[in-house]
Order: sequence, then C-alpha cells, then structure tokens
Amino acid sequence: AQSVSQHNHHVILSEAASLELGCNYSYGGTVNLFWYVQYPGQHLQLLLKYFSGDPLVKGIKGFEAEFIKSKFSFNLRKPSVQWSDTAEYFCAVMSTGGGNKLTFGTGTQLKVEL
Amino acid sequence: EPEVTQTPSHQVTQMGQEVILRCVPISNHLYFYWYRQILGQKVEFLVSFYNNEISEKSEIFDDQFSVERPDGSNFTLKIRSTKLEDSAMYFCASSVAGQGHHGYTFGSGTRLTVV
Repeated sequence: AQSVSQHNHHVILSEAASLELGCNYSYGGTVNLFWYVQYPGQHLQLLLKYFSGDPLVKGIKGFEAEFIKSKFSFNLRKPSVQWSDTAEYFCAVMSTGGGNKLTFGTGTQLKVEL
Repeated sequence: EPEVTQTPSHQVTQMGQEVILRCVPISNHLYFYWYRQILGQKVEFLVSFYNNEISEKSEIFDDQFSVERPDGSNFTLKIRSTKLEDSAMYFCASSVAGQGHHGYTFGSGTRLTVV
C-alpha cells in the first residue's frame, strides 16, 4: 500500500523567507505526485503535479517541486513566501498501476507573518 | 472556472440518523470521488465511482455508506446510521480521466457533526 509522510506539521515564516516542505512517499511502483493547497475556509486546490519527464515541476503562484526518485521525495519549494501563502499544504500520491485514488499526507500548516 | 458544488456546507445530525451529502460534479467529468477529513487528521479516500458503479472503495466505506448518481448531475453520499466518529469534513471531487492527469477538482466540503 502506498503512504505519504510530511515531516513538518506547522511552519511559521516571515514574508520573503524561502520555503521548503518535505514529502516522502512509499510505494514500490510508479507514482504520480501532487501538491494541494487549502486556504482557510476554502476547498483543496491543485498546486502542481508530476507524472513523468522533467523532475522539477513548476506550479501556480511561484511554487515548484522536485521529484527525487532515489529518495522517494517530492519536496515543495518557494523562493520567497507572501502573507497570502498562509494555508495548509498536502502532498499526495496516486499509483499508476491501476485505480485512481489519492493518498494524502497529514498536511503542513504554513503561517506567514508580516 | 468550473466548480464542484457541495451542499450543505454544514450539517448537524443526531447519532443514528441518516444523512445525505450532495455534490454536483463538473459537467464533463466522468469520475467521481468522496474523501473525508476528520479534524486534525489527514484527508482519506472513501470511494471512487465511474460508469454508474463503484470502482474502488476503502475499508472505511462499510455497509453504512452508499453512493448514488440519481440523475445526470448529482452525486450523493449516504450514511445510513451516523456514528459520532463519522463527524468530519467530507469532500467530493471529480476528474475527467481516471488517472487524474488533469488533477481532481475538489468541492468546498460539507462539515458533518454527529451529536
């Protein structure tokens, strides 16, 4: 069975600081990887996804993530965060071997202070 | 931008009562899903639905749960006899293709509180 670990549960940063949120997954086969964001009171929105090709994926709002197969990791990065990035961030994995369910990590609550 | 619409946004129900959570997926999407998030815990897969039948379900999705697409637009989740531990945020989602190549589109969720 696939699983996802997000190591940072709560992160507090000042505006303009750089962000890196860790995500590791466990699954023996090929996976598709996703980062979702949930702003306060809103629904889950797709930030970016990786299926194949260039392991460095760029998403919306200046976010990017790098797939490192040897480390089973898909860390989310942003060079300079803004107050509006305050939200909860979820890493998720979907196996390509059949089925289409997403397995989510526990989420990281990011708070950006002015 | 097309949205997945969920109603109601909040529902409070007494233990043992039946509840129906409603969702209107995006019109050209073919795959439909329910997920839930118990407060403070991760988002968990419940069930996926395609071509008018369940394509996959988790161990959480026991006999108390059922899904239905009663007409061309709605997708419902029914909990037959609610328990306290069913209190959670329930998210509906839909996708064009099964492997989620376009990503899912999630609804805003229904917060269910069982008292």
